[in-house]
Amino acid sequence: DAKTTQPPSMDCAEGRAANLPCNHSTISGNEYVYWYRQIHSQGPQYIIHGLKNNETNEMASLIITEDRKSSTLILPHATLRDTAVYYCIVRPRILTGGGNKLTFGTGTQLKVEL
Amino acid sequence: DSGVTQTPKHLITATGQRVTLRCSPRSGDLSVYWYQQSLDQGLQFLIQYYNGEERAKGNILERFSAQQFPDLHSELNLSSLELGDSALYFCASSVSASGDAVFGPGTRLTVL
Repeated sequence: DAKTTQPPSMDCAEGRAANLPCNHSTISGNEYVYWYRQIHSQGPQYIIHGLKNNETNEMASLIITEDRKSSTLILPHATLRDTAVYYCIVRPRILTGGGNKLTFGTGTQLKVEL
Repeated sequence: DSGVTQTPKHLITATGQRVTLRCSPRSGDLSVYWYQQSLDQGLQFLIQYYNGEERAKGNILERFSAQQFPDLHSELNLSSLELGDSALYFCASSVSASGDAVFGPGTRLTVL
């Protein structure tokens, strides 16, 4: 699986957009970009995923660069409850013997402040 | 509430002991996953089951074993416990063997 690189921490003011970057320069054409978050030792929560087009759901938007080597997760109006560790994960589109595992890195600790 | 339930929430035991962690997947999900999260190793995939069959294995120690029962609930058995086994253990489930996983709240294991 391709590796991802994320900044260890970021701060954001409440009500502002939080833009979390992720570098996945070795991603292949058959790999999705997934985002999960973990709020203080709770179970990881799925946010969004994409292949090459930008995606949006009720939680966030995912912007993937044209060369697919990086992406940005956007929380449009961050709140204090969005304080969490955000994980960017690359996952194969077609699963083989490795199963449907998610390989978590160290993620980005987002702190939303008043 | 993700729909995935795990029991117990907390477990404190001694070195050398054996424990069983239980997971009930979200209704309709056939696949179950186990992950371990320790301070030094982060979140690590242990094992995946699909409809009762083992599907994939990750960094699961030989002292650990798991199974998925006909009613689709799963148990993770940890034996000969060591201090380093202290961690959060998460169960996740998905509808299919390749679907998006939903995580449970975890079991916090403390080995003294």
